[in-house]
Amino acid sequence: EPEVTQTPSHQVTQMGQEVILRCVPISNHLYFYWYRQILGQKVEFLVSFYNNEISEKSEIFDDQFSVERPDGSNFTLKIRSTKLEDSAMYFCASSEDHPQGVNTEAFFGQGTRLTVV
Amino acid sequence: AQSVTQPDIHITVSEGASLELRCNYSYGATPYLFWYVQSPGQGLQLLLKYFSGDTLVQGIKGFEAEFKRSQSSFNLRKPSVHWSDAAEYFCAVGLSGGSYIPTFGRGTSLIVHP
Repeated sequence: EPEVTQTPSHQVTQMGQEVILRCVPISNHLYFYWYRQILGQKVEFLVSFYNNEISEKSEIFDDQFSVERPDGSNFTLKIRSTKLEDSAMYFCASSEDHPQGVNTEAFFGQGTRLTVV
Repeated sequence: AQSVTQPDIHITVSEGASLELRCNYSYGATPYLFWYVQSPGQGLQLLLKYFSGDTLVQGIKGFEAEFKRSQSSFNLRKPSVHWSDAAEYFCAVGLSGGSYIPTFGRGTSLIVHP
């Protein structure tokens, strides 16, 4: 069964450093998303991406964050100058169809746990 | 903006007992509604979704949910819980006619006693 894969599963970084979280969406999917979940809190939407550009983003997704699809398979989230409060589980997701289409189910990866120390 | 509330942080049930997890949403029109499950060390898996039509929705793993517009609720139910159902359950809402992007509740942790 096709699945969304994320690497690494756990990353520890020092405050102020840059991190890149990687995701391989399901191959025929066209819409990609990043969410995060701070420990003990709810899953929060960060950004959606379609046709090589951001289609929606939340207020959390400020200039510290960027996304990229560097090749035909990877979808990355870059966090510049990390802060302690960036520590969270980051989930990547992808869906086949337009959000208002038929196949709108978002398939989620297992997440990358980011710890900023 | 839409929001979703899961009033129960933890629910404990005995194996074989019935289960109902509560979810209330806040939005004026009919939203898209979802339930996801997150098992330990796993990603989020879609259990079921409601877009329109029959208000009682069947999902995977024996789960069902009922959309009640009058109560702004979308509660998840299972008639007989298995130990493997122990997980975190998330209700999510997306806008109908607007952004589908799911907004998640804080989650309910299900504990199953043997």
